[in-house]
Amino acid sequence: DIQMTQSPSSVSASVGDRVTITCRASQGISSWLAWYQQKPGKAPKLLIYAASSLQSGVPSRFSGSGSGTDFTLTISSLQPEDFATYYCQQANSFLFTFGPGTKVDIK
Amino acid sequence: QITLKESGPTLVKPTQTLTLTCTFSGFSLSTSGVGVGWIRQPPGKALEWLALIYWDDDKRYSPSLKSRLTITKDTSKNQVVLTMTNMDPVDTATYYCAHITARVGFDYWGQGTLVTVSS
Repeated sequence: DIQMTQSPSSVSASVGDRVTITCRASQGISSWLAWYQQKPGKAPKLLIYAASSLQSGVPSRFSGSGSGTDFTLTISSLQPEDFATYYCQQANSFLFTFGPGTKVDIK
Repeated sequence: QITLKESGPTLVKPTQTLTLTCTFSGFSLSTSGVGVGWIRQPPGKALEWLALIYWDDDKRYSPSLKSRLTITKDTSKNQVVLTMTNMDPVDTATYYCAHITARVGFDYWGQGTLVTVSS
């Protein structure tokens, strides 16, 4: 099974800050990685797919990069509505695994 | 407009079998590449992928839960059903169904349904 790790597990940031979240796979997954945002009591929202492709309707301040085992999600200028938990998810071999999540809260 | 909605019991007893139904609209599960998956989230914890069924009846299961899960589809009713056997209190979670195309990402989600396992 492919395991996913994320760092940090939580980050405190201010509006306007640049925030970077890292996701690592236990083995290579090419670019089969997605990122999700989840707010309390709500279903997750797809932000990025195929490691770096922005989902339709998602603001351009969100970007993804990486391939193989190491990936990053960057929020270029944090907005009030971005305070949430972020999950990565791999899709290698049509089996899926989510990372443990990174909580972004207000500093 | 794609929508999905989960339905099923809110409370099950330990050792019982859970049956959840995902009823969807706005897409067809006979369209090439389309799939519907199930994901769960225990209270305060991370997301966990459970199973997925594709348009061609290809079925994928979480290796750690494979022995307990069965996923089926009824294309005519626009429904996907997940059964999980031998339920345990640790299976208490919000269960979501979601739409996916190939392995691009789960782009549409249901609202989720909280299932509590307790005697």
